Amino acid sequence: DQQVKQNSPSLSVQEGRISILNCDYTNSMFDYFLWYKKYPAEGPTFLISISSIKDKNEDGRFTVFLNKSAKHLSLHIVPSQPGDSAVYFCAASGGNFGNEKLTFGTGTRLTIIP
Amino acid sequence: NAGVTQTPKFQVLKTGQSMTLQCAQDMNHNSMYWYRQDPGMGLRLIYYSASEGTTDKGEVPNGYNVSRLNKREFSLRLESAAPSQTSVYFCASSEWASSYNEQFFGPGTRLTVL
Repeated sequence: DQQVKQNSPSLSVQEGRISILNCDYTNSMFDYFLWYKKYPAEGPTFLISISSIKDKNEDGRFTVFLNKSAKHLSLHIVPSQPGDSAVYFCAASGGNFGNEKLTFGTGTRLTIIP
Repeated sequence: NAGVTQTPKFQVLKTGQSMTLQCAQDMNHNSMYWYRQDPGMGLRLIYYSASEGTTDKGEVPNGYNVSRLNKREFSLRLESAAPSQTSVYFCASSEWASSYNEQFFGPGTRLTVL
C-alpha cells in the first residue's frame, strides 16, 4: 500500500520553462512534507519542505504547494535549469507513522532540455 | 565535516555470503536510518534507530540485522545474501523535532548478489 505516490515516473521540460512535479498521499495524518533531489551515484539531498499548517513555501526558484483537502503537493521550479535534471522524491512524516520516519514516493526523473 | 559516510561504495557477493555495510555520521544526530532503493520502488526503510541504544524495523526488514554501535555509527548486516537483496543502500541521519525530520543521506553502497 503506497502511502505517498508520484504517478509520473519521468518529465521533460525545456530550459527556462516551469517544471511541475506532483505528489499525492493517502494518509491524512501526515503533517510534514519534504522534497529531495537525487543525482546519479549520489545520495538524496534535501531541497524544500512544508508543514501542514501552510499551503505554500518558497525558496528561490523552488516553491512547494500543499492542498490538504486533495492530499496533494507539488513542486514548482522556475526557471528550470540544466542542473535541475535529477530524480525528485517527495516524502511525508507524522501521524501514526511518527515524526522520526519518512515515507518516500517512488520518484520522478526530471530532464531539462537545453 | 564529512556528514554521512558509507563503506564500501560497491560490493559483489555470492548467494549465501554475509557482509556488513558501515555508516557513520559526524553531525551529532540522534537518529539513523537504512534504506534500499530499487527501480520503480523509491526509497524503502529497512531499519532505523531513533536514538542510541534503540533499533526498530522499517518497511522491509527481512534478511537484515542492524547494530547501533554508538551515537555515530549504525551498521547493516546481511547474514545470508540473496539475489533479491541486490540494490543500492543508503544510510541517513537526522535530529528530528516535533514535526521536522530533514534527513541527511550518505553516498550509497551499490550491492550486487549473484
